[in-house]
Amino acid sequence: DVKVTQSSRYLVKRTGEKVFLECVQDMDHENMFWYRQDPGLGLRLIYFSYDVKMKEKGDIPEGYSVSREKKERFSLILESASTNQTSMYLCASSDLAGEDEQYFGPGTRLTVT
Amino acid sequence: GQSLEQPSEVTAVEGAIVQINCTYQTSGFYGLSWYQQHDGGAPTFLSYNALDGLEETGRFSSFLSRSDSYGYLLLQELQMKDSASYFCVRSGSARQLTFGSGTQLTVLP
Repeated sequence: DVKVTQSSRYLVKRTGEKVFLECVQDMDHENMFWYRQDPGLGLRLIYFSYDVKMKEKGDIPEGYSVSREKKERFSLILESASTNQTSMYLCASSDLAGEDEQYFGPGTRLTVT
Repeated sequence: GQSLEQPSEVTAVEGAIVQINCTYQTSGFYGLSWYQQHDGGAPTFLSYNALDGLEETGRFSSFLSRSDSYGYLLLQELQMKDSASYFCVRSGSARQLTFGSGTQLTVLP
């Protein structure tokens, strides 16, 4: 079974803190993605990566950065957390080829106070 | 733009058939997917259409008309467990996915 894991289900951080969200997939997938999900807005793509050490901005990259040092791991970094970054963060991975099926992790609900 | 339009809510009864429509912007369009998400859960893939026509997978079918920039998800023989949010998702260049805002389906007994 495809498995995508995220480091935490729930996280509470203070404004200004640096926050790391980790994602690991065990399917040897080329592509990895970070989304945030907010009520009424669906999922919005923050960053994605097609290969190790490669990253591309999604639709809402401001305030975030990413790191992909190994194929199986994709990290999302909030350099200085703000209250408007309180959200559900979802990581996903997919094959290079195929029908665009993405496999999602369980999500991390981040609250910034 | 890359926006998608889908209804925010749909309600139906067990055993019925429901259709969730989706329209999308055509610029750089590759295909249309559908994902299901239960409350508190992760989105899971249902179907993908790159060509015009109907794709059937059990009780679920998905349709695409590229000329109309339109697709739909058809759920037959509705069950209570089908209550969830359904997202139409547009594939664009560089394999990016753009999610619609989701349709909350409520199945009543």
